[in-house]
Amino acid sequence: DVVLTQTPPTLSATIGQSVSISCRSSQSLLDCDGDTCLNWLLQRPGQSPQLLIYSVSNLESGVPNRFSGSGSETDFTLKISGVEAEDLGVYYCMQATHAPLTFGSGTKLEIK
Amino acid sequence: VQLVESGGGLVQPGKSLKLSCSASGFTFNSYGMHWIRQAPGKGLDWVAYISSSSGTVYADAVKGRFTISRDNAKNTLYLQLNSLKSEDTAIYYCARIGGDYWGQGVMVTVSS
Repeated sequence: DVVLTQTPPTLSATIGQSVSISCRSSQSLLDCDGDTCLNWLLQRPGQSPQLLIYSVSNLESGVPNRFSGSGSETDFTLKISGVEAEDLGVYYCMQATHAPLTFGSGTKLEIK
Repeated sequence: VQLVESGGGLVQPGKSLKLSCSASGFTFNSYGMHWIRQAPGKGLDWVAYISSSSGTVYADAVKGRFTISRDNAKNTLYLQLNSLKSEDTAIYYCARIGGDYWGQGVMVTVSS
């Protein structure tokens, strides 16, 4: 199975600060029907996960543009440009290129 | 798009439970669907997948004990959980292929 290594495990940020989360894959995530199936999810406290970014860098509808994704093959990054209070929660990367679906271990974002 | 799980609860080890996921707002029979679980305080673990043509795949931890199925006429996804173990205790989410939509989750507790 593809292992996704997410760092850091926790992040503490002030409002307005920019932060980045890394997700490294044990295999290339290219070749997903011509795409790279690496998504980013946010799970707010007490809620189910919600999709933020799909296919590395595409912003899901309704997601603020302070969120951005980048990367290729095995190295991916989620950036939040100007953290807001509502951004607290656990961020997961998820790959769907290779069966089975696998997830990173999560990054907990705390607001100082 | 809405996904609503039901059927969770407290069950003794070795017993069975059937979860349902009612889908609306999209053409259910055109999409593959996943069951994903989250043990208390832990990350996300993929459980099973069913394609639009009803092909199935399972995580090793549940293979032979759990069965995923779908009823396209009822727009409903199912997960039959047999021979339950304490380590199956988790919130179970249904999610559309690609992880773009998730249900609110249903709690399954396996305990004597």
